[in-house]
Amino acid sequence: NAGVTQTPKFQVLKTGQSMTLQCAQDMNHEYMSWYRQDPGMGLRLIHYSVGAGITDQGEVPNGYNVSRSTTEDFPLRLLSAAPSQTSVYFCASSYSTRTSYEQYFGPGTRLTVT
Amino acid sequence: KQEVTQIPAALSVPEGENLVLNCSFTDSAIYNLQWFRQDHGKGLTSLLLIQSSQREQTSGRLNASLDKSSGRSTLYIAASQPGDSATYLCAVARGDNYGQNFVFGPGTRLSVLP
Repeated sequence: NAGVTQTPKFQVLKTGQSMTLQCAQDMNHEYMSWYRQDPGMGLRLIHYSVGAGITDQGEVPNGYNVSRSTTEDFPLRLLSAAPSQTSVYFCASSYSTRTSYEQYFGPGTRLTVT
Repeated sequence: KQEVTQIPAALSVPEGENLVLNCSFTDSAIYNLQWFRQDHGKGLTSLLLIQSSQREQTSGRLNASLDKSSGRSTLYIAASQPGDSATYLCAVARGDNYGQNFVFGPGTRLSVLP
């Protein structure tokens, strides 16, 4: 298994541009999520999904959209990039069970908005 | 709102020492707690997962304990090595409708000196 994969690894955007960060997993996990990591603030949840067709907002959803058309893929869209969205973005997945929630993380996408 | 703190923020020890990293959380209604390791500029690697019904988990030189009533977890690293140098993050799975969303602490940056 490839696990959780993310593309691109690095991206530079200009303010106002849009883009999509890709995330895919091959473990048949129902649950997928996006986090951003900023210095001194730890990881914060942006959006999550408990299955195909079901998404919900996390702690910091503004400026981001998600969709979940398949179990495998969970793309994150930046609608109009702002310098405040400069961060490292991590995608994670896990099984949706109520006994174990071990999460597996992708390698991250480092985004800079100028 | 669940808040997670980690003490100390940074730690530097000579090789061979045993050490303890601390994690505290404000809401004891958690499903589980997971410890991660993050190397500089890299993604997150899962170290140990403790379910809410468990008190500890062990993997090699690592031992993690969980005391839900006091809102604390510790990660014990025995016989530290320079290769253990990394940032260690703890995360708790919240007890909400889905029980899936993690809240992360800010991390402890560990340096093991040869």
